Amino acid sequence: EIVLTQSPATLSLSPGERATLSCRTSQNIGSYLNWYQQKPGRTPRLLIYDASNRASGVPARFSGSGSGTDFTLTISSLEPEDFAVYYCQQRWNWPVTYTFGQGTKLEIK
Amino acid sequence: QVQLAQSGAEVKKPGSSVKVSCKASADTFRSYTLSWVRQAPGQGLEWVGRIIPIVDQTSYAQKFQGRVTIAADKITNTAYMELSSLRSEDTAVYYCARELDDSSGPFDQWGQGTLVTVSS
Repeated sequence: EIVLTQSPATLSLSPGERATLSCRTSQNIGSYLNWYQQKPGRTPRLLIYDASNRASGVPARFSGSGSGTDFTLTISSLEPEDFAVYYCQQRWNWPVTYTFGQGTKLEIK
Repeated sequence: QVQLAQSGAEVKKPGSSVKVSCKASADTFRSYTLSWVRQAPGQGLEWVGRIIPIVDQTSYAQKFQGRVTIAADKITNTAYMELSSLRSEDTAVYYCARELDDSSGPFDQWGQGTLVTVSS
């Protein structure tokens, strides 16, 4: 089973700053990694798929990079609405399994 | 526009079963895979299982094998997740989610969630 490890667990930053979130996988998954944002009491929202493709309607300040086992979600300049929990996720096909990271909480400093 | 509409909250006794529904559009049912993902209070996201409605093919997380059944009604475009032998640790919000046709398995649409509370 592939394990996804996100770091840091909590990131404290101020609006306007740059945020860098990490997701490390226990096996090489190529570029097959997705990122989600979840605000309190809300459903998760797909931000990035296939490591670097922004989902429909996602602002350009969100970008994803990486391949293999190391992936990064970058928010270039934080807006007040960006403070939330972020999850990475992947799908493995043999057997079919979907795994999420434990999440990174991005909080206002 | 609500794309995935889930049934309402449930309170169940330990040892009982719960069945949660997720009504989708005809297009979603015809063309997409639907998964169930749960989130315990204050915790992260956990995949439970999925169904490809057009072929009625299911896959389940190993953790839930033998306790979960996912089914699809192609007449009403509704997917169901039934979890049996409930225990307190199953208390969570259960989401249905639509998967994009992409190798990484991204979930681009989510139901509003159904809170299942297991308590004696």
